Amino acid sequence: AQKITQTQPGMFVQEKEAVTLDCTYDTSDPSYGLFWYKQPSSGEMIFLIYQGSYDQQNATEGRYSLNFQKARKSANLVISASQLGDSAMYFCAMRENTGGFKTIFGAGTRLFVKA
Amino acid sequence: IAGITQAPTSQILAAGRRMTLRCTQDMRHNAMYWYRQDLGLGLRLIHYSNTAGTTGKGEVPDGYSVSRANTDDFPLTLASAVPSQTSVYFCASSEGDRGRYGYTFGSGTRLTVV
Repeated sequence: AQKITQTQPGMFVQEKEAVTLDCTYDTSDPSYGLFWYKQPSSGEMIFLIYQGSYDQQNATEGRYSLNFQKARKSANLVISASQLGDSAMYFCAMRENTGGFKTIFGAGTRLFVKA
Repeated sequence: IAGITQAPTSQILAAGRRMTLRCTQDMRHNAMYWYRQDLGLGLRLIHYSNTAGTTGKGEVPDGYSVSRANTDDFPLTLASAVPSQTSVYFCASSEGDRGRYGYTFGSGTRLTVV
């Protein structure tokens, strides 16, 4: 069965430093996608980055990169050069590409960026 | 502005009452979803629709029903609300139901059942 685990309820990072948010997953489907979303205090959900299970390279989108380790079933989000505006809740999510194509979400990690 | 519109923004509802949360998108996305967000539990899928005319059950479908009569609208109905349905409800859509399509989310409906 699909499962997403985010073990860090909260994280602190100093402004301009890099931070890694952990995500592990479990699936028996060989074809799946991994996603990260950001939820600021205003409440909206923002899609950040995608990694496909067959992608050979780690995904990058601006200051966001996804450290994909398939054998370990981990998909950590790395935010480089943190900014105060990065303070938010971050959710890891996975969608299996067979059997209903449903996306499940982890419980989230709240990131606090300190000035 | 293209996106998803949810209504109402918030609602206080008496237990036992029927309620429909509205969701409309103007992006012509095929797939639509309803999630509820509860503290410490992340987002949990209630129902989904991969295309107009079809729906499916998610992780927590009990007490909820949906319909997908056309591409744009995906209403969520609580037939007889209970306090455990107090939550923030998000409607989402994606261009496809697989691959690299991330979700576009609505701004959410905060529902309190008393």
